[in-house]
Amino acid sequence: DAEITQSPRHKITETGRQVTLACHQTWNHNNMFWYRQDLGHGLRLIHYSYGVHDTNKGEVSDGYSVSRSNTEDLPLTLESAASSQTSVYFCASSESRSGRSDTQYFGPGTRLTVL
Amino acid sequence: AQSVTQLGSHVSVSEGALVLLRCNYSSSVPPYLFWYVQYPNQGLQLLLKYTSAATLVKGINGFEAEFKKSETSFHLTKPSAHMSDAAEYFCAVSGTRSGGYQKVTFGTGTKLQVIP
Repeated sequence: DAEITQSPRHKITETGRQVTLACHQTWNHNNMFWYRQDLGHGLRLIHYSYGVHDTNKGEVSDGYSVSRSNTEDLPLTLESAASSQTSVYFCASSESRSGRSDTQYFGPGTRLTVL
Repeated sequence: AQSVTQLGSHVSVSEGALVLLRCNYSSSVPPYLFWYVQYPNQGLQLLLKYTSAATLVKGINGFEAEFKKSETSFHLTKPSAHMSDAAEYFCAVSGTRSGGYQKVTFGTGTKLQVIP
């Protein structure tokens, strides 16, 4: 079965360190997304990609970067981790670029704690 | 601009009772609307979606939602709650485009507790 996986599932790091969260999907979807989930805010979009070598900023992109070198993977990098980036991070994918009705398929999440 | 408001961050129902989770939206274009469910320690998964066909949408696990344009609402219901329905539920709207991106806005979620 197709799926979307994230690793690690839990991560504790220190302020100022660089951290990379992995996301891998086997749906063969063009679109991939990174969200963060915080209490009282729901899901907020960090970055998104519509295909290989395409990356775009979302609404809360400061301090984060992504790169897309193949269809399956969209790693999220925190350049210099800050305590405000403690959150649960979700990766998602969807099939078509223009589809307003597209379903997004989510990974299980990564819980990141920045001390 | 678009937004989603979910009334009630926590809802408790007895097993077998009606489940009603409220969602109101705003959108400057005709919206597409979604309900996603998140079980503990898992990602979100689609329950159902409205795509401008039938206004009453049936989803998985016995859930349904009705699109009411006049009330800008898309409330989620289930006639009889089951213990396995305990989860967090997110309403989302897809309407406006922001640059090249088909923007999806999620609500803040409603945690459903089912009491035996």
